[in-house]
Amino acid sequence: NAGVMQNPRHLVRRRGQEARLRCSPMKGHSHVYWYRQLPEEGLKFMVYLQKENIIDESGMPKERFSAEFPKEGPSILRIQQVVRGDSAAYFCASSPHSEGTEAFFGQGTRLTVV
Amino acid sequence: TQLLEQSPQFLSIQEGENLTVYCNSSSVFSSLQWYRQEPGEGPVLLVTVVTGGEVKKLKRLTFQFGDARKDSSLHITAAQPGDTGLYLCAGDDKIIFGKGTRLHILP
Repeated sequence: NAGVMQNPRHLVRRRGQEARLRCSPMKGHSHVYWYRQLPEEGLKFMVYLQKENIIDESGMPKERFSAEFPKEGPSILRIQQVVRGDSAAYFCASSPHSEGTEAFFGQGTRLTVV
Repeated sequence: TQLLEQSPQFLSIQEGENLTVYCNSSSVFSSLQWYRQEPGEGPVLLVTVVTGGEVKKLKRLTFQFGDARKDSSLHITAAQPGDTGLYLCAGDDKIIFGKGTRLHILP
């Protein structure tokens, strides 16, 4: 049973470009969470999705950020018009159940905006 | 808003020593999880505690959930360099995370 797969592992974007981060959950998991982590800090919750639904996006910036988890395919975290402050590690986690029980994490995508 | 406070933030001790790190909240959680994260990697789940007063052991690691389900502790016996990492606690609702305890075991 493959774990949570995130790609790319590293992504470099120039200011103003778009960044697309992908997350394939563990087999049988229908709940996906996205987090952002700055160096030397903990994880900050961004968004919680179930297949085709956004359940909670209270941690997501109101502008430039969006997330989806389509019926088929991976979950996508999309950042438009990236700025230097978007540089961080972005982790996704998947869970088989709702209400945030045990979650299994991917290895993260490290976004660098230059 | 539920918050999880972890202490200490940083801990550096010699190999072979014992240590305890804490995760505290003013809110009640139905469950708490402990994760360990190594540099450049995602967090890895260590344990989930569900019942107030519950104690779980994972080799040299002992996890306890407070009776009121508001706090948890992680005790490591005879720490080894391989225990080095960022230890994170997380609550059930949206998987709220504490900022972690960065543990460094000196050989």
